[in-house]
Amino acid sequence: GQQVMQIPQYQHVQEGEDFTTYCNSSTTLSNIQWYKQRPGGHPVFLIQLVKSGEVKKQKRLTFQFGEAKKNSSLHITATQTTDVGTYFCAAVQLNTGNQFYFGTGTSLTVIP
Amino acid sequence: DSGVTQTPKHLITATGQRVTLRCSPRSGDLSVYWYQQSLDQGLQFLIQYYNGEERAKGNILERFSAQQFPDLHSELNLSSLELGDSALYFCASSPSAGFTDTQYFGPGTRLTVL
Repeated sequence: GQQVMQIPQYQHVQEGEDFTTYCNSSTTLSNIQWYKQRPGGHPVFLIQLVKSGEVKKQKRLTFQFGEAKKNSSLHITATQTTDVGTYFCAAVQLNTGNQFYFGTGTSLTVIP
Repeated sequence: DSGVTQTPKHLITATGQRVTLRCSPRSGDLSVYWYQQSLDQGLQFLIQYYNGEERAKGNILERFSAQQFPDLHSELNLSSLELGDSALYFCASSPSAGFTDTQYFGPGTRLTVL
């Protein structure tokens, strides 16, 4: 089963609205990565967070890593149609050795 | 274009058969990762090779095996295929061994088992 859960599974927003996806783990994560997969495409790396409480920004995207390193979020401000796709978090859980888990993903639809 | 190539792009085969998927990593990358993406299971990590050696193992079935060759390309062998093996198979590559590297994904091979 999935070790890293993401919510929501689907999100439809009007263009210009904000969007947030959350990634949650039951155990501590060593680091967390975020990927975007466009429809029909392959996952593309967006960013990596390593430190507790870390916040990174990429233009309209803001990424956060929780203080306990068990959760993370991706926030998009003022969505555009180019933001359409599925956003995945991915991480190594500290108690699972070399096991790399992708989250369940959040599929974002932006309505023009 | 990530620089990772995968062949074939599509593969249609029958239950019980065996297929081989091929992946060439980006120039200079030593690690290759294999993933399976299906609608009900999401993106599942299967296995990682680093410089020819198995480095990490995920949810890979015993019917599946992989190897990485001296030129660093990798092959994923799927045998005794079942309907449930129908999925998109991605490989990814990265420069080093750990999971803290950026992984660059190939375009994938879509496998259909009839």
